[in-house]
Amino acid sequence: IAGITQAPTSQILAAGRRMTLRCTQDMRHNAMYWYRQDLGLGLRLIHYSNTAGTTGKGEVPDGYSVSRANTDDFPLTLASAVPSQTSVYFCASAGQGGDTQYFGPGTRLTVL
Amino acid sequence: QKEVEQNSGPLSVPEGAIASLNCTYSDRGSQSFFWYRQYSGKSPELIMSIYSNGDKEDGRFTAQLNKASQYVSLLIRDSQPSDSATYLCAVNSNNNDMRFGAGTRLTVKP
Repeated sequence: IAGITQAPTSQILAAGRRMTLRCTQDMRHNAMYWYRQDLGLGLRLIHYSNTAGTTGKGEVPDGYSVSRANTDDFPLTLASAVPSQTSVYFCASAGQGGDTQYFGPGTRLTVL
Repeated sequence: QKEVEQNSGPLSVPEGAIASLNCTYSDRGSQSFFWYRQYSGKSPELIMSIYSNGDKEDGRFTAQLNKASQYVSLLIRDSQPSDSATYLCAVNSNNNDMRFGAGTRLTVKP
């Protein structure tokens, strides 16, 4: 079934630990995005990638890094997690033209 | 000032009524506008997109755009309990700058 998958579904993490959230899409979409969603703040863009090999910073990039080695995968890494990174993280992708985004199921991350 | 503003709600309407959801945005250069529906604990799903001034209808849903007033709305006719969700307004100035409102929670009471 075509779509976007994210892993893990949820994670509890100790502060200071490194964590990579995985995102894979099989729709051959060029553009991919990482958002965090916090109560009262809506969805905020962390990083994006227009195509394999390129990445860019969004609205709230600090503390996060991404890579785009191929079209399908777009992992998000927290090098040293902090409690303020507790959130629900959504990966999204967009096809040709790029303005309609489709979302993965999300990862609920708790940093203690 | 938030770039995309929505009434947080909750908005409560009886079954069969019209639900009206509103959104304003600050960037006059915005070109494309979206409404997403998000059920509790789930991911956002696209229900409407609109690019030109006026109305766009899709089944029970109508999106309305007024670029001069920087205003976009979503009407849901014959509201059903299954429409109970949070509705997110999203505005795109360019493909890498989609901004979302905080969402309006809608409850449709049977």
